[in-house]
Amino acid sequence: QVLLVQSGPEVKRPGASVKVSCKASGYTFTSNGITWVRQAPGQGLEWMGWISAYNSRTHYAQNFQGRVTMTTDTSTSTAYMELSNLRSDDTAVYYCARMRVNEFGELLAVFEYWGQGSLVTVSS
Amino acid sequence: EVVLTQSPATLSLSPGERATLSCRASQSVSTSLAWYQQKPGQAPRLLIYDASTRAPGIPARISGSGSGIDFTLTISSLEPEDFAVYYCQQGGYWPPITFGGGTKVEIK
Repeated sequence: QVLLVQSGPEVKRPGASVKVSCKASGYTFTSNGITWVRQAPGQGLEWMGWISAYNSRTHYAQNFQGRVTMTTDTSTSTAYMELSNLRSDDTAVYYCARMRVNEFGELLAVFEYWGQGSLVTVSS
Repeated sequence: EVVLTQSPATLSLSPGERATLSCRASQSVSTSLAWYQQKPGQAPRLLIYDASTRAPGIPARISGSGSGIDFTLTISSLEPEDFAVYYCQQGGYWPPITFGGGTKVEIK
């Protein structure tokens, strides 16, 4: 079965960086894309961007441009999301999710499978 | 950016009742709309995509409808496990991908 297993909780100081991992199994990693979504405490879902596991093409949401970097390691079927210059309002649960593909191999903005989430706390 | 507005913010119902959740887009997204369910402490779960297609394993009491700017998620008869928060998300014009603010379905 498809599984996305994320790295554990992190506590960071303001100004630091955090790198969250998302290890995929149960499917051909390079056939899909991975998106990242975050959720601040008690709040809704915020899309951060996506990466194609096939060619590493990325697109980042404007709110995170310049601070986020998404990468993949196809040898270990793992996706990474690094967020830099952390602020207290970056405290959130960060989720990875697999994007659906259509019959032509095009990535769709439909998130079929989700990781369990990684809590990142930013505090001085 | 397509803005999604969900209503109501909270729906108080009893088990066995029908739940009707609304999602309105600021511009047409055709049928590129998905619905997710989220329970406390859990990741979101895909329920519906392409406005009306149930994801694998989703029971028939959950259905989606709509196109253009107005969409509806209906739960025909609420089961105890259906009490949760529901989010709509558009994939018609992306990037950016956007989510609605959520509707909480709570036990009356």
